[in-house]
Amino acid sequence: NAGVTQTPKFRILKIGQSMTLQCTQDMNHNYMYWYRQDPGMGLKLIYYSVGAGITDKGEVPNGYNVSRSTTEDFPLRLELAAPSQTSVYFCASRGQGSSYEQYFGPGTRLTVT
Amino acid sequence: EDKVVQSPLSLVVHEGDTVTLNCSYEVTNFRSLLWYKQEKKAPTFLFMLTSSGIEKKSGRLSSILDKKELFSILNITATQTGDSAVYLCAGDHAGGTSYGKLTFGQGTILTVHP
Repeated sequence: NAGVTQTPKFRILKIGQSMTLQCTQDMNHNYMYWYRQDPGMGLKLIYYSVGAGITDKGEVPNGYNVSRSTTEDFPLRLELAAPSQTSVYFCASRGQGSSYEQYFGPGTRLTVT
Repeated sequence: EDKVVQSPLSLVVHEGDTVTLNCSYEVTNFRSLLWYKQEKKAPTFLFMLTSSGIEKKSGRLSSILDKKELFSILNITATQTGDSAVYLCAGDHAGGTSYGKLTFGQGTILTVHP
């Protein structure tokens, strides 16, 4: 099992550009999440999904969009990138059941200049 | 609004010291409290606490939950330089579409000097 994989690892965007952060998990988890982590801060939830075709907003969804067409993939779309979106982005997944923890991907470091 | 607060925000100790990290929470439909360790990369899972008063232990690390007072502590005994990291706690939501959603605290930065 590869677990949770994210691409790219690093990216520099100019203000106003768009991009998609990819996230894939091979554990057949229903639940997937996108977090951002600013320097010296904890993780803030952007969007999450409880299954294919179902997504919901987290704490900081503005400026982002997601889709969940398959169980495995949960891409995060940034439209019109802004400097405030400079952050490290983590994707996570979780199995169903009360004893499962969240597994995190390695992260994508995004800089918007 | 859901809130998880950790203290202290940072801590500097020497090898061999014992440290206690605190986490208080106000989380709707609370189910469990999770602790993660983060070393310049993705967080790695340490503990999940569901029941009050039952200590979970892994080597030199231990943690306990108090559901009445809404807090948890993470203890690390005989600290080593490899324990240097950010320690995150998170409240886990139960039920409905919030299932599995974690609310994270801001983290405690632990630095262990040789």
